Amino acid sequence: ETGVTQSPTHLIKTRGQQVTLRCSSQSGHNTVSWYQQALGQGPQFIFQYYREEENGRGNFPPRFSGLQFPNYSSELNVNALELDDSALYLCASSIDPWTASYEQYFGPGTRLTVT
Amino acid sequence: GEDVEQSLFLSVREGDSSVINCTYTDSSSTYLYWYKQEPGAGLQLLTYIFSNMDMKQDQRLTVLLNKKDKHLSLRIADTQTGDSAIYFCAEKDDKIIFGKGTRLHILP
Repeated sequence: ETGVTQSPTHLIKTRGQQVTLRCSSQSGHNTVSWYQQALGQGPQFIFQYYREEENGRGNFPPRFSGLQFPNYSSELNVNALELDDSALYLCASSIDPWTASYEQYFGPGTRLTVT
Repeated sequence: GEDVEQSLFLSVREGDSSVINCTYTDSSSTYLYWYKQEPGAGLQLLTYIFSNMDMKQDQRLTVLLNKKDKHLSLRIADTQTGDSAIYFCAEKDDKIIFGKGTRLHILP
């Protein structure tokens, strides 16, 4: 158990719809990162938030957006869903982005299927 | 660009040692990591090594780093059925880049 939870566990959406995925980080962890893991692939970095501000972004379009709240919860929003957005979405929390070892604790993920 | 390469599959007999290999391209990586993912679960950080180290041992796990060749390996001693999982190598510079994972299969 990492103390990081995600909801929902599974979700089915239709192409063109919008989706919000949620994550609850460990208390005291001010950093949350979101990853997309397509089937048979490693996780790909979407973006990171530190103290409610975006602190880095991977190669994902602007229709992927996020929010982080003071209560250690966060959201990943995806607009205009495409079939290729079908994947496992993982959030990971850490104390801050500059901790030398940058130990991240992952949630179990949300499996998103776009039809 | 940044890239992390791993072989996709490894089969090992129970009780033997498993060695999972990884190569990376970013010479400015500060930390290198090994994560474990079991079916239906998120990633679990197993161990990490700072880029100026050659070796790190943690119980049954041994990490070897050859910085010149940009090669990282994870050795699991006395492999058990519970070690069956996908193992991801990852490097960190300004963000973390993961490999595609190596699926470790344990033979009885």
